[in-house]
Amino acid sequence: AQSVTQPDIHITVSEGASLELRCNYSYGATPYLFWYVQSPGQGLQLLLKYFSGDTLVQGIKGFEAEFKRSQSSFNLRKPSVHWSDAAEYFCAVAFNQAGTALIFGKGTTLSVSS
Amino acid sequence: EAGVTQFPSHSVIEKGQTVTLRCDPISGHDNLYWYRRVMGKEIKFLLHFVKESKQDESGMPNNRFLAERTGGTYSTLKVQPAELEDSGVYFCASSPLLKVEQFFGPGTRLTVL
Repeated sequence: AQSVTQPDIHITVSEGASLELRCNYSYGATPYLFWYVQSPGQGLQLLLKYFSGDTLVQGIKGFEAEFKRSQSSFNLRKPSVHWSDAAEYFCAVAFNQAGTALIFGKGTTLSVSS
Repeated sequence: EAGVTQFPSHSVIEKGQTVTLRCDPISGHDNLYWYRRVMGKEIKFLLHFVKESKQDESGMPNNRFLAERTGGTYSTLKVQPAELEDSGVYFCASSPLLKVEQFFGPGTRLTVL
């Protein structure tokens, strides 16, 4: 079955330190890949997406993600975390073209320590 | 441009009662999706409208859930009668007809006591 795995439920990072959130998917072909963020009291905001082309994609708020086909991964990175990055992060995939449901990972909660 | 809006933001009801959630998509977005996140679990797809037609309702948990999108604009999701396991956050998302990227609303937190 198609699935998305975010192996880390909760991560704590010091402010200013780098961050990497992991995401793996299970599917035979390359899906459409997304990272969303949900800050407390807010809805899901799209950070970045990968459809094709350059495997390193840039998003908002200084985030980037790299698609690695050989590892079926789409890890999210940020070189220097800010306290405002504390939130829950969701990796999601769509396995077909427009008009299909997103499949989400369980989410990773990021805490930022000072 | 206004984003996806959902109403109410929170709802607390007793088991056996009825609740109706509303979603207003971004204007012009023909695709409308409902998702649900039960505590501790992943966000799961419920159903998908294209304009006023149900395209995929494979994620609807049972017949206590009824979704409508009359006129192809806003959508409602009714739960009747509500059960304890229906508690969670219900998200709505929309997208233009031929686009993959979905835009999400803030969600409705439903608590069934």
